[in-house]
Amino acid sequence: NAGVTQTPKFQVLKTGQSMTLQCAQDMNHNSMYWYRQDPGMGLRLIYYSASEGTTDKGEVPNGYNVSRLNKREFSLRLESAAPSQTSVYFCASSELWTGAKETQYFGPGTRLLVL
Amino acid sequence: AQSVTQLDSHVSVSEGTPVLLRCNYSSSYSPSLFWYVQHPNKGLQLLLKYTSAATLVKGINGFEAEFKKSETSFHLTKPSAHMSDAAEYFCVVSESGYNKLIFGAGTRLAVHP
Repeated sequence: NAGVTQTPKFQVLKTGQSMTLQCAQDMNHNSMYWYRQDPGMGLRLIYYSASEGTTDKGEVPNGYNVSRLNKREFSLRLESAAPSQTSVYFCASSELWTGAKETQYFGPGTRLLVL
Repeated sequence: AQSVTQLDSHVSVSEGTPVLLRCNYSSSYSPSLFWYVQHPNKGLQLLLKYTSAATLVKGINGFEAEFKKSETSFHLTKPSAHMSDAAEYFCVVSESGYNKLIFGAGTRLAVHP
C-alpha cells in the first residue's frame, strides 16, 4: 500500500496563476484533510471532507477550494495564487471523522512557491 | 477553545542522553493527545497517542509520553537519544469527539555525536 500520495512534490507559480494539488489514499478511509505548514507554526487545517460527497472549511480556507472526487481522491485548488500561499501543503486521511481516537495518516507534502 | 503550547522551539542533546520535549495543552473536554514526528522533507508520522486509557503511553522507537491532567501536560521522553531521532516533533490535541487536530508550533530536536 502506498498510503497517502500527493502530486506534485514541488511547484513554482506566478502571482495570479491557478493550480490544483492532488491527493489520493489507498486505505479505504472515509475522511480526508488538507493542511498547510508555515515556518515556526504547526500545521493548520484548510479544508476537510468527513465523508465522500461532503466538504467543510477548516481554520484557514480563504483562497482555496476543494473537491472530493471520489472516496480515494481529494484535491485542493488555488484559483489565483498569492505570495501568502507559499507553503508546504499536506494531505491526510483517517478512517472516520468522528471519534477523537482516530489516527490521521499524512502524505509526503507539496512545496509551493508563489512569486 | 483548544490549544497546544510546545515550550521549546529547539532542543539539542548528545547521542545517548535523555530526551525531553515539553507540551502543555488547553482543553475544555477530555482531550485526545498525539505526538507526530517529521523528518526533513518527509510527511508526518504518528509516534504515539493518548486516548483516555493508561496515562503513560508508549510509542514507536522507544518514545513515551505521560498525560498529566493536573498539570495539563503531555511531555515526550526517550531514555537515550539516537542520531536518527533528529527531526521536528509536533504535539497535537484533538477536539472532543471529532478528528480536528490542533497542532503545536513544533520542537526541532538536534542530536550531536
